[in-house]
Amino acid sequence: QKEVEQDPGPLSVPEGAIVSLNCTYSNSAFQYFMWYRQYSRKGPELLMYTYSSGNKEDGRFTAQVDKSSKYISLFIRDSQPSDSATYLCAMSGLADKLIFGTGTRLQVFP
Amino acid sequence: EPEVTQTPSHQVTQMGQEVILRCVPISNHLYFYWYRQILGQKVEFLVSFYNNEISEKSEIFDDQFSVERPDGSNFTLKIRSTKLEDSAMYFCASGTGVVTYEQYFGPGTRLTVT
Repeated sequence: QKEVEQDPGPLSVPEGAIVSLNCTYSNSAFQYFMWYRQYSRKGPELLMYTYSSGNKEDGRFTAQVDKSSKYISLFIRDSQPSDSATYLCAMSGLADKLIFGTGTRLQVFP
Repeated sequence: EPEVTQTPSHQVTQMGQEVILRCVPISNHLYFYWYRQILGQKVEFLVSFYNNEISEKSEIFDDQFSVERPDGSNFTLKIRSTKLEDSAMYFCASGTGVVTYEQYFGPGTRLTVT
């Protein structure tokens, strides 16, 4: 079983839609959960982070962590064409190395 | 806004040659990392570096790889004898170490080994 699993997509939605991106993981030691956005051939850009279980909101983005189910989500409200990118979940435990999912490619069309 | 920078943006080298990838982390950061991403695959951890020594390394980071902080601003990754399978994007990241999620990535160096 992979440590972090993420549906690669692509996920194609119309502008204004609510987008739901998800990852599952197997390692119960993970405590820090992050979402990065990556444009083609660019470096990952940190979007959101949460510690342990719960929700966190930042503008149009909401991150959720359910440690009991080993499941994390990122919701994007009022999606825009500029949100088109690959979204990577990443997580870490006590050590600081990040374990990434494969990324979900999102396309928002006008 | 401060950012991590990396040079070169693209490096082409022949198999067996040595390459050095360079990074300038964010100035007040103390923790430094290298990750790589083979085309179409996930970002993978290579090595973390703190207080002038390696704090953790992955199985990928074998004897062909080394890291160095030669001065107060640069952080380098050296591959001694490149292989075809080393072709990938290499990302440098830095963080304050206050919490582990604070890792900020550079734009990457695309390494092509022919």
